[in-house]
Parts: sequence; structure tokens; C-alpha cells
Amino acid sequence: AQKVTQAQTEISVVEKEDVTLDCVYETRDTTYYLFWYKQPPSGELVFLIRRNSFDEQNEISGRYSWNFQKSTSSFNFTITASQVVDSAVYFCALSEANAGGTSYGKLTFGQGTILTVHP
Amino acid sequence: EPEVTQTPSHQVTQMGQEVILRCVPISNHLYFYWYRQILGQKVEFLVSFYNNEISEKSEIFDDQFSVERPDGSNFTLKIRSTKLEDSAMYFCASSGTSGTSTDTQYFGPGTRLTVL
Repeated sequence: AQKVTQAQTEISVVEKEDVTLDCVYETRDTTYYLFWYKQPPSGELVFLIRRNSFDEQNEISGRYSWNFQKSTSSFNFTITASQVVDSAVYFCALSEANAGGTSYGKLTFGQGTILTVHP
Repeated sequence: EPEVTQTPSHQVTQMGQEVILRCVPISNHLYFYWYRQILGQKVEFLVSFYNNEISEKSEIFDDQFSVERPDGSNFTLKIRSTKLEDSAMYFCASSGTSGTSTDTQYFGPGTRLTVL
């Protein structure tokens, strides 16, 4: 069964600090997809990134970067020079592509990490 | 930019009453989902829907729950007889323009259901 663990329940930083959110996953499938979503105080879920299991290249998008390491089953998310607007709950999620050949994209979420950025 | 919409934003109901939560997925998407999030907890999968039928459901999605796509645009979640523990935020999501279920899921803003 698939599982996602976000061990950091809450992180508090001061603006301009860098912060890394950890995500560790478990799956028996060789083909899977990893996601990060942001949930700001307003409550919606905002898609940030999707990564497939065959692409271990790190990705950078502005102040955001992601480090995918299959060897440690981790998909960590780093915010560089954090801003107050980054304050939110961040969820890592996993979708298996080949669950018996009948996967329909179910997302399994981690518990989420509450990030608070202080001015 | 296309987006998933949900109505109502907040629904208050009495225990035992039926509720219908409505969603309009992104128009060219093929896969539809419901998730729920109890306050302060993680987001949990309820059901996926493809080709006019349920493709997968979780243990949470028991006989009290049903989904329907009554026309070409709406996707609904019905809870037949609400319980206190059904109080949660319910998110609708859609994905898949290419027939691939693992396309990115885009979420609606959620409906907060409060059962009294």
C-alpha cells in the first residue's frame, strides 16, 4: 500500500530564511508520481509540482526547488528566501500508476507541514 | 484559466439529513475525484469516477455516499444520512485530458460541511 510521511508537523522561520520540507514515501510500484500541494489559510489546494518516478532531475521554479531521490524514497521541497506569503500547509502526495494495472490516479497525501514565515 | 468550482462553499445540516455537494470540473477533463479533509488533518481520498462509473473508492466511501455526473458538466457527491463525523471540508478534483489517470489533479476551493 502507498504511504507518504511528512515528519515535520510545524516549521517556523523568519523571512528570508531558506526552509526545507521533507517528504518520504512508500510504494511497491515502479511507476508512480509525486506531487506537492500548497494549502494557504484560505483553504484551497494549489498544485505546485508533479514528478514521475523515472525523472530524478531536481527542479527549480523561482524560489522553489525540489530534490527527488529514489534511493532514499524522498521528495523534499525547499523554499529559498522565504516570504510571509509562503505561510501555508504544504502537502506531499503520491499516486501509483500501476496498482494491478487499474490505477485511476488516487492521491495519497502526507499529514502536511505547517509553515509559518514571520516578518 | 480553467478551474474547478464547487457549491456551496459552506453547508450546515442536521444529523440524519441528506446533503448534495456540487462540483463543476474542468471541461475537458476525464477523471473526477472527491476527497475530504477533517479539520486539522490530512486530505483523504474518497472516490474516483471515470467513464460514468466509479473506478475506485476508499473504505470511507460506504453505502451512505454516492456520486453522480447527471449531465455533461456537474459532478455531485451525495451523503444520504449525515453523521457528526461527516463534518469536514470536501474537495472535488479533476484531471486527465489524455486518458491518463495520473495527470495532475486540480482541486476546487472546497465545501465545508458542518453536521449539527
